[in-house]
Amino acid sequence: DGGITQSPKYLFRKEGQNVTLSCEQNLNHDAMYWYRQDPGQGLRLIYYSQIVNDFQKGDIAEGYSVSREKKESFPLTVTSAQKNPTAFYLCASSVGDQPQHFGDGTRLSIL
Amino acid sequence: GQQVMQIPQYQHVQEGEDFTTYCNSSTTLSNIQWYKQRPGGHPVFLIQLVKSGEVKKQKRLTFQFGEAKKNSSLHITATQTTDVGTYFCAASTSGTYKYIFGTGTRLKVLA
Repeated sequence: DGGITQSPKYLFRKEGQNVTLSCEQNLNHDAMYWYRQDPGQGLRLIYYSQIVNDFQKGDIAEGYSVSREKKESFPLTVTSAQKNPTAFYLCASSVGDQPQHFGDGTRLSIL
Repeated sequence: GQQVMQIPQYQHVQEGEDFTTYCNSSTTLSNIQWYKQRPGGHPVFLIQLVKSGEVKKQKRLTFQFGEAKKNSSLHITATQTTDVGTYFCAASTSGTYKYIFGTGTRLKVLA
């Protein structure tokens, strides 16, 4: 979606390794979100942030960590504690509870 | 916790037939959004419903929000092959930017 950039598009993780997924937006949105989508499934919320320097756990936060040091950036780290990380990861942003704008996603696989 | 159920999970229709997907929540909602995700793509916002009993139309698409604000539906009249994709509802409760996505309905349109 215009204004939200996720990188990389594809990512491979070795066992025991932490990896970080990037999400940057230039829409001046306050809220940012990370979702996980498994094949043929819906979106499950990992973490969300309503303002800078603050974030809340979603429904499946275990094995993940985030930071929100800048308004435009909300990186997601998939830690080695996440034993089944293979999925499609989507980042989104919004103005308050208004419609979310999604990035193109990152596909993470295990080597 | 809040749950959002969406039915049916899959729907195959002949081109020109109508299609409806339903979204049901266990709790009263503040608002509900609908998104469409094409295969391999990311969710794209369609509509937001806020008021009890609200009905909105976008060309062949009709969206409804239940009187009790616990359910919603999306109806497509005379489907076309361009309607193919997965339709998700996303529900929010008051005072939060957190949205819970439904499980989605995957629509296939046979020409």
